[in-house]
Amino acid sequence: GESVGLHLPTLSVQEGDNSIINCAYSNSASDYFIWYKQESGKGPQFIIDIRSNMDKRQGQRVTVLLNKTVKHLSLQIAATQPGDSAVYFCAEILNTGGFKTIFGAGTRLFVKA
Amino acid sequence: ETGVTQSPTHLIKTRGQQVTLRCSSQSGHNTVSWYQQALGQGPQFIFQYYREEENGRGNFPPRFSGLQFPNYSSELNVNALELDDSALYLCASSLGYGTDTQYFGPGTRLTVL
Repeated sequence: GESVGLHLPTLSVQEGDNSIINCAYSNSASDYFIWYKQESGKGPQFIIDIRSNMDKRQGQRVTVLLNKTVKHLSLQIAATQPGDSAVYFCAEILNTGGFKTIFGAGTRLFVKA
Repeated sequence: ETGVTQSPTHLIKTRGQQVTLRCSSQSGHNTVSWYQQALGQGPQFIFQYYREEENGRGNFPPRFSGLQFPNYSSELNVNALELDDSALYLCASSLGYGTDTQYFGPGTRLTVL
């Protein structure tokens, strides 16, 4: 079916620690994946993306890892800050005669000062 | 801010009524996508429009319809409202379709009583 799920609904980390948010996807035909951050009262905000021909991609303080063998994505946030507190979604884009973005359920990240 | 605006911010309707939600995309963005986000869940793709034509649709019934206009504005129409239609409705604009980065608006909170 069309679903992108997350292993952990909530994650609490200490400020300065690294955070890892995981995601499992079920559509092996997907070739593009995105991580979004959603703060309260706002729409999702693009963080980082990765194509299926890559295993790893790094941005500023964030790294996305893709394991196609087990259909798993992860988002790593280095030196987590209070401003990183939000809900994080992974999403995949399917092209089935038209493009659609399939979001997962989300993980809420709490950063303790 | 993303430059994508939505109106109204909040809306209350009763079951069976019809509603129109509006979105103003970033100037120059030819694609708009609409999502439904129930409380505590990830956004669910409704449909996407590219240059005023539907370019992809999720698993939503025909009573969900849309329009995209040449001035980078768009509408989501929902007929025969049901209680389960209560959600945050998000629009996102992008330059093209497919894997182009989507920029989300803050959403319209619809409550159906």
